[in-house]
Amino acid sequence: DGGITQSPKYLFRKEGQNVTLSCEQNLNHDAMYWYRQDPGQGLRLIYYSQIVNDFQKGDIAEGYSVSREKKESFPLTVTSAQKNPTAFYLCASSTGQFNSGANVLTFGAGSRLTVL
Amino acid sequence: AQRVTQPEKLLSVFKGAPVELKCNYSYSGSPELFWYVQYSRQRLQLLLRHISRESIKGFTADLNKGETSFHLKKPFAQEEDSAMYYCALSRAVGNNRLAFGKGNQVVVIP
Repeated sequence: DGGITQSPKYLFRKEGQNVTLSCEQNLNHDAMYWYRQDPGQGLRLIYYSQIVNDFQKGDIAEGYSVSREKKESFPLTVTSAQKNPTAFYLCASSTGQFNSGANVLTFGAGSRLTVL
Repeated sequence: AQRVTQPEKLLSVFKGAPVELKCNYSYSGSPELFWYVQYSRQRLQLLLRHISRESIKGFTADLNKGETSFHLKKPFAQEEDSAMYYCALSRAVGNNRLAFGKGNQVVVIP
């Protein structure tokens, strides 16, 4: 069953702690993305990666970090520097750059992070 | 930078009535436009894209470069159309960095 798996589904964190959200895909997609979804704000791009061992900042990268050591995996770390981390985080993937499927994103089910 | 505007947060329509979701964008090049949809308790998914020029679930959207718009339309709303709809833009076909609008919540009243 191909798709994107995000874990955990719900996560609670104390202020000052870093937390890592997992995103795994078995679609053989080159590109992966992290979005943040807030009510009334739509989706905002945090980081994206077009190929293994490479990634770029999105529109709201401050306070976040990522890695792309494997094609299948694109974990997101929410650091203590992120001022307002409570949100719903969506991971997505696509076939990659420079083809007609580049922007046909497949999304995960999301991870809801709450900072106490 | 490209920007996508969806002016109405919430749209309530009666079943069988027409529905139109407005999307305007600001970008001077040749963008690629999309509508994504999120049904209750389901994942966000692609509804349609302008280069396909097809009707999906009765929905159509035409890219109007003169008015920089990509409005989503359906002549007869169904209850299963109740969902959150996002308009999205890429600067070019194959450029995989999407800008999303803030979304429209559509409620179809039986």
